[in-house]
Amino acid sequence: DTAVSQTPKYLVTQMGNDKSIKCEQNLGHDTMYWYKQDSKKFLKIMFSYNNKELIINETVPNRFSPKSPDKAHLNLHINSLELGDSAVYFCASSQAGGLYGYTFGSGTRLTVV
Amino acid sequence: AQSVTQLDSQVPVFEEAPVELRCNYSSSVSVYLFWYVQYPNQGLQLLLKYLSGSTLVKGINGFEAEFNKSQTSFHLRKPSVHISDTAEYFCAVSPTNAGKSTFGDGTTLTVKP
Repeated sequence: DTAVSQTPKYLVTQMGNDKSIKCEQNLGHDTMYWYKQDSKKFLKIMFSYNNKELIINETVPNRFSPKSPDKAHLNLHINSLELGDSAVYFCASSQAGGLYGYTFGSGTRLTVV
Repeated sequence: AQSVTQLDSQVPVFEEAPVELRCNYSSSVSVYLFWYVQYPNQGLQLLLKYLSGSTLVKGINGFEAEFNKSQTSFHLRKPSVHISDTAEYFCAVSPTNAGKSTFGDGTTLTVKP
């Protein structure tokens, strides 16, 4: 039973396309996150939802739009993809404000060509 | 606001040798402290956490960490490493009053035979 699952695992697309990444957690956690990891392995938070409400919205181009249909799902839609969007995107979830740490998905490697 | 500094970006070590990965933090509020491990092509996995109580905490895979409040440090140690410990290690802090976790830039541990 995968706790936090992301699809797809790999995504190769051309510049200018629009793509979505999906994330689901079966842990009953109330908060979900999107992180971007660049080629140097630096982790940068992008968004966070608590019970479907956006609570963290970092400085991210508005081409990136998160959507949480329910507290178990958090999707990321990216419009007009650019070369610089190439990275690994991680979904994570937590309970009680992260008191017990985060559970991460296995990542989506996005390559824009 | 909080920040996390991982003092070594890369730590090479021979198999069965001891290792210490250093982490310092600064915060204007009380924080919880975490170490995560990321094996190649995988998501982050929680190694251990400090919430309160004993300053020495034990985690999975034989790792332990010591919280030092006066030095605002949370160094990770293992007395004898294995080849399989080769991975990226991230230190993170979360405010106790809930809020986003702040991650360090990571330390690449390479265990050589």
